[in-house]
Amino acid sequence: QKEVEQDPGPLSVPEGAIVSLNCTYSNSAFQYFMWYRQYSRKGPELLMYTYSSGNKEDGRFTAQVDKSSKYISLFIRDSQPSDSATYLCAMRGAGNNRKLIWGLGTSLAVNP
Amino acid sequence: NAGVTQTPKFQVLKTGQSMTLQCAQDMNHEYMSWYRQDPGMGLRLIHYSVGAGITDQGEVPNGYNVSRSTTEDFPLRLLSAAPSQTSVYFCATTRRGDSMNTEAFFGQGTRLTVV
Repeated sequence: QKEVEQDPGPLSVPEGAIVSLNCTYSNSAFQYFMWYRQYSRKGPELLMYTYSSGNKEDGRFTAQVDKSSKYISLFIRDSQPSDSATYLCAMRGAGNNRKLIWGLGTSLAVNP
Repeated sequence: NAGVTQTPKFQVLKTGQSMTLQCAQDMNHEYMSWYRQDPGMGLRLIHYSVGAGITDQGEVPNGYNVSRSTTEDFPLRLLSAAPSQTSVYFCATTRRGDSMNTEAFFGQGTRLTVV
């Protein structure tokens, strides 16, 4: 079993839909939770990060962490065709260990 | 302000050849790292550096060398290329002590094919 599981999709939604992207994990020591967006043939781009539990909102994006269920989510409101990309979750523990554990990514297509 | 610049963007090597992938950043970030991205395997850390003169191994270091003589540059050397090293390589940076404690900036990648 991988430490981080992420449904690869593809996920296809109409423009304006609310998108929910999710990752589950098994290591209760994870404290930092990140979402990256990766356009085709480009490098990942850090979208959101949260420390420990709770919600964080940035414009149309909301990141949620439920540590009791070992489940994290990224919500995209009013999705746009420009949101079409692969979304990667990543996480790590506290302290000086910088090793990130990555999900494999969910491919999202927002159709006009 | 260019951010993280990787060169070359594409490269084809023959088995056994050596080459250096370049990574340069102009943000004065202390922390730099190299990843490879493969289908079904995701992003895997090859080597990282927490500052000039300091490097350490990541998850998949075999077959690769790094050095960090300046804050700006972090080259990745393939000593004797093998087909298993066919991949997309990304360089990433972040500022030490950054509260997010994660790779913040990635380069555009180098697509390497070893034949």
